[in-house]
Amino acid sequence: QQQVKQSPQSLIVQKGGISIINCAYENTAFDYFPWYQQFPGKGPALLIAIRPDVSEKKEGRFTISFNKSAKQFSLHIMDSQPGDSATYFCALGRGTASKLTFGTGTRLQVTL
Amino acid sequence: DTGVSQNPRHKITKRGQNVTFRCDPISEHNRLYWYRQTLGQGPEFLTYFQNEAQLEKSRLLSDRFSAERPKGSFSTLEIQRTEQGDSAMYLCASSSRLAALYEQYFGPGTRLTVT
Repeated sequence: QQQVKQSPQSLIVQKGGISIINCAYENTAFDYFPWYQQFPGKGPALLIAIRPDVSEKKEGRFTISFNKSAKQFSLHIMDSQPGDSATYFCALGRGTASKLTFGTGTRLQVTL
Repeated sequence: DTGVSQNPRHKITKRGQNVTFRCDPISEHNRLYWYRQTLGQGPEFLTYFQNEAQLEKSRLLSDRFSAERPKGSFSTLEIQRTEQGDSAMYLCASSSRLAALYEQYFGPGTRLTVT
């Protein structure tokens, strides 16, 4: 049973455009929602994370939007750059020491 | 560099052999996690330590897999009698002892290829 559904599977965006990746979940017990960026051959790197008590969090060009009632959250990358080309994973966590449950990933390509 | 480190970075082994991987977490992080990632998929949780205690194991962790963290610092993951299906990237992550911090930081991974 897939606990988190991530879409799209792949995304092509022009340089300077906005990249949007979405995740949906079912279990309302989750209370921690991070996004990770992964380059080929590397481990995932934490980008930004949100708790359910806020609806939006922004760090630089990266913004998480969180809709608690719809059980959805999304990553927005503003002014996308070729260096942002990577695979992005959303994840779910529950409690401070919880394992993370990852989405299936979105491969982002930013073209010139 | 004070990040999570993993050794070796790559391991090629023949089916049936045993392999062991090492993870050194960020200094003073008391929580350590192992995940497995296959091509085109997100990481999947294997097991979790708080200090030296192994607190949770996934059903993915068959009897051929064993993990230890004897002194609450580095951890090892051993796979016995490797199978071709064990080929994957094995990732280690650590997080802080401070209860308010959820963030998990990943190492570069060990890529295992079983021939």
